[in-house]
Formats: sequence, structure tokens, C-alpha cells
Amino acid sequence: DSGVTQTPKHLITATGQRVTLRCSPRSGDLSVYWYQQSLDQGLQFLIQYYNGEERAKGNILERFSAQQFPDLHSELNLSSLELGDSALYFCASSVVSGGIHEQFFGPGTRLTVL
Amino acid sequence: GQSLEQPSEVTAVEGAIVQINCTYQTSGFYGLSWYQQHDGGAPTFLSYNGLDGLEETGRFSSFLSRSDSYGYLLLQELQMKDSASYFCAVRDRRDDKIIFGKGTRLHILP
Repeated sequence: DSGVTQTPKHLITATGQRVTLRCSPRSGDLSVYWYQQSLDQGLQFLIQYYNGEERAKGNILERFSAQQFPDLHSELNLSSLELGDSALYFCASSVVSGGIHEQFFGPGTRLTVL
Repeated sequence: GQSLEQPSEVTAVEGAIVQINCTYQTSGFYGLSWYQQHDGGAPTFLSYNGLDGLEETGRFSSFLSRSDSYGYLLLQELQMKDSASYFCAVRDRRDDKIIFGKGTRLHILP
């Protein structure tokens, strides 16, 4: 158990809909990262927040947005969903802001868009 | 561009040693990390190289050579539980994007 929690575990929805994925980082970690993993693909970095502020952005679609709240939990919002958005979405957390040091991954949310 | 290249699959025998290579095309990065992911599971951190050279953590070692744009993960005394996918990752200094390789699936034969 990494100490990072993600809800829900599974999500099934229809094209055009909007969903929100939630992540709580490990106690004491200020950075939260969001990743997308499609079938047989590596991890695609979406976005990072550090202590409530956006820190770095990957190839995140305009239909996707995220935020980190004062209690440090984070939410990833996916809207106007398409079939291709079906994937495993991971949240990770770390103590530091920069670098590529150790990140602790949550169990993921599996999104299925029908 | 920014990319990390890894072999898609590697097969080795239980008890043996295997090396998983990672080559990259990015001009500047903070360091090289390695993660393990079992089927259906989340990635877990294995190793980090901030400087050139070898880092050893138990049965796992990782190496980085910035001049050769190359790194590798070395797994010794392979066990069946090491069957998993292994990912290398860097963070680009220019835009702070985190880049993962597509992963190497390690198959271990008894």
C-alpha cells in the first residue's frame, strides 16, 4: 500500500459525458501527478500540482482539467468524453516539487467510455 | 523531440541476470528513474540515478551515462515474482515534462 488513494476504482460512462477522478496523496506529500495509461502503452504524464499550484503540464487535452485543494487532495476532470479516453488513470504523489525522484502511485481508476 | 526507447520484451531464466536498456533523446534532464509494474497493479519505484554511474539496491542496480544518452536496469538472481513491466522515466529540464518509456515486459522462465 503506497498510501495514495484514488476513487473510484472503476468508472463506466458514455461518450460526451463528464467525470471526476479523485486522489488523496500520501501524508506529507505536497506534489500530486496525474498519468494516463492506455492498453499496451506507457504512462503519459498529464499534469502536476505542488501545494495547490500547477507545477508542470504534460500533453493534457483541453477537455481535461485538474486542481489541487487546500487539503492537498486533487481532482482530475474529464469532459466531452470520447471512446479513446478509456484508460487507466493513475495519481502519484511525492514530497518534492521538481526532479524525477521517487513517486508513490495510487491503485488507479479504470475508466471505460462506451 | 523527447523520447525514451526500451525493448518491448525480454525473456530470462530464473536465477539469472538480465539487463534492460533505456536510451533517450532529450537534451537535458534531471535524472533517470525506474519503475516496476505488475499486471493489474500500480507502478512502484525501483531506482533513481541523478549522476552518472551505478546505483545498487539489493538485487537491482541501475546505471546512467549522460554522455552516451543511455541507462540500464540490472536485475540479479531473478525470481518468478520479477515477471513484470519495467519503465524508465526522465524529467526534461526545458519544460519540466515527465517522460516514461513504453516499458519492457520481462518474462521469466523456470
